[in-house]
Amino acid sequence: SQQGEEDPQALSIQEGENATMNCSYKTSINNLQWYRQNSGRGLVHLILIRSNEREKHSGRLRVTLDTSKKSSSLLITASRAADTASYFCATDETSGSRLTFGEGTQLTVNP
Amino acid sequence: NAGVTQTPKFQVLKTGQSMTLQCAQDMNHNSMYWYRQDPGMGLRLIYYSASEGTTDKGEVPNGYNVSRLNKREFSLRLESAAPSQTSVYFCATTGLETQYFGPGTRLLVL
Repeated sequence: SQQGEEDPQALSIQEGENATMNCSYKTSINNLQWYRQNSGRGLVHLILIRSNEREKHSGRLRVTLDTSKKSSSLLITASRAADTASYFCATDETSGSRLTFGEGTQLTVNP
Repeated sequence: NAGVTQTPKFQVLKTGQSMTLQCAQDMNHNSMYWYRQDPGMGLRLIYYSASEGTTDKGEVPNGYNVSRLNKREFSLRLESAAPSQTSVYFCATTGLETQYFGPGTRLLVL
């Protein structure tokens, strides 16, 4: 069964706008990761946030984690058409490098 | 460095046929994984190998077998393909905490 549930399933915005995607999970975690998948390609790791961290930044990406609500959000600022992709959250529950993936958010950035 | 490579890129099988999907990594990682991704869904773990010589079942292992041939190679075998196994298959490897994915194999079972 899927650990993460992502919201929204699909998001369409204009270039330059910010995009926010949310992920909820069910069990305790060691870390939560976000991955990106361009159409027809493998997943690419974007950012990792540990269970004792609340916020993390990487370039135009900002990730937050609320372990009390078992939820995370990914914010992409100043979006570009090239950001069009599916975004997946993945949780590491056991520190054994096994990840459980959510069903993803399909982001479309219109030029 | 090629990272994670998968062969073939695309395959069409008839129900009942068998095939082996190949995965190789040149990242010197211990752990390797096989996932399947169905349309509009996330990845589901089929099997994984924490180190050379060990394999374990994931979430959806039925109908599949795996072999960790050596540290570099991890193969996935379908002994008798079924239409329900139509999917995109991804191999991945991990060094510390993050996973690195291959480009995928698209499998169509008729």
